[in-house]
Amino acid sequence: NAGVMQNPRHLVRRRGQEARLRCSPMKGHSHVYWYRQLPEEGLKFMVYLQKENIIDESGMPKERFSAEFPKEGPSILRIQQVVRGDSAAYFCASSPSDRGYEQFFGPGTRLTVL
Amino acid sequence: EDQVTQSPEALRLQEGESSSLNCSYTVSGLRGLFWYRQDPGKGPEFLFTLYSAGEEKEKERLKATLTKKESFLHITAPKPEDSATYLCAVQAGYDYKLSFGAGTTVTVRA
Repeated sequence: NAGVMQNPRHLVRRRGQEARLRCSPMKGHSHVYWYRQLPEEGLKFMVYLQKENIIDESGMPKERFSAEFPKEGPSILRIQQVVRGDSAAYFCASSPSDRGYEQFFGPGTRLTVL
Repeated sequence: EDQVTQSPEALRLQEGESSSLNCSYTVSGLRGLFWYRQDPGKGPEFLFTLYSAGEEKEKERLKATLTKKESFLHITAPKPEDSATYLCAVQAGYDYKLSFGAGTTVTVRA
């Protein structure tokens, strides 16, 4: 009974490169959320997706960030032209299709931008 | 905008010394209040959901309660393995997103 899976667990990029973070939700879950935890700050919501749809992206920076959750495969959070300020832990959570309440988190991807 | 404030920021306890963590919130139309535990380098682990004032939930040495303005997480006779950061989050209105507090870091000494 696998939980939420994220990869890679650690990612190092140089300024200007692209970062791709992947999230596979728990079995039977079709709702995916991405959160960011900056150093010494709390968890902040970024985006909420269902299969092939972005439901709420109110927490996403306007530029360089995008997310998708295709019909097949994991959800992807993409950061283009990374800057040092993007260094953070990125967490994915999922919830069951019929209940939007409890969200179960993955182990996170720790992005370091050099 | 939803506001969630947790206190204290840090709590150091002796093993067996019971205590409480506070989470006060200001939201429009609370749908649910959530408690998570986060260990260093790991993702938040779900503990409880509370939906209405007066509700209580228990799990081992942890008990969560909810009023109209705040929630408490009581830790009874803690053990060193209870050391972690405890996060409170709210879900409000028609949103599915969680708004988190900054957390309380609990350290339990043997």
